[in-house]
Amino acid sequence: EAGVVQSPRYKIIEKKQPVAFWCNPISGHNTLYWYLQNLGQGPELLIRYENEEAVDDSQLPKDRFSAERLKGVDSTLKIQPAELGDSAVYLCASSFLGADEQFFGPGTRLTVL
Amino acid sequence: QQQVKQSPQSLIVQKGGISIINCAYENTAFDYFPWYQQFPGKGPALLIAIRPDVSEKKEGRFTISFNKSAKQFSLHIMDSQPGDSATYFCAASRGTGRRALTFGSGTRLQVQP
Repeated sequence: EAGVVQSPRYKIIEKKQPVAFWCNPISGHNTLYWYLQNLGQGPELLIRYENEEAVDDSQLPKDRFSAERLKGVDSTLKIQPAELGDSAVYLCASSFLGADEQFFGPGTRLTVL
Repeated sequence: QQQVKQSPQSLIVQKGGISIINCAYENTAFDYFPWYQQFPGKGPALLIAIRPDVSEKKEGRFTISFNKSAKQFSLHIMDSQPGDSATYFCAASRGTGRRALTFGSGTRLQVQP
């Protein structure tokens, strides 16, 4: 069974440029999460989807970050414009609706120069 | 506000020894406490989890001890092996799979052969 797929795995951009990350969750998983992991820290939630509805986006910096999950399957997280402080690993996770265990993808490591 | 505090930040253990990582939480509404293991370049993976209705859970060499009154829980790795060298995160959430995880800051474990 395929796990959570994320792309790209690495991205290097100049500050003020836009960037997008893509996530394909495990088949059948209704709930999708985007987490931000700074170096040496634990993941922090950015946004949680149940199917195509964003049910928790209180930690998403909406001035520059946006996300979508149009068909309730894969999802895209966008940053525009990127800032130096956005350099981090962006993790996607998924789970069955109501299930405890979250399955994480390998993440996208973003470097903003 | 750091709701889950984890210690130590790093740990070096000899092969065959016991690794102990501790976490403390503040939110008494938390009712699910997992431990995740993360290898470099990989996403976190669930190792073991516990709910507050039990004080201990064991799976193979991994044991969670839970102290509800002290709001603390710990991970014990018995007979530690070099392959256990990774970063370990405690986490907590409330509600049955309907909330994101709040992670600790992580413990980098190194098991020396």
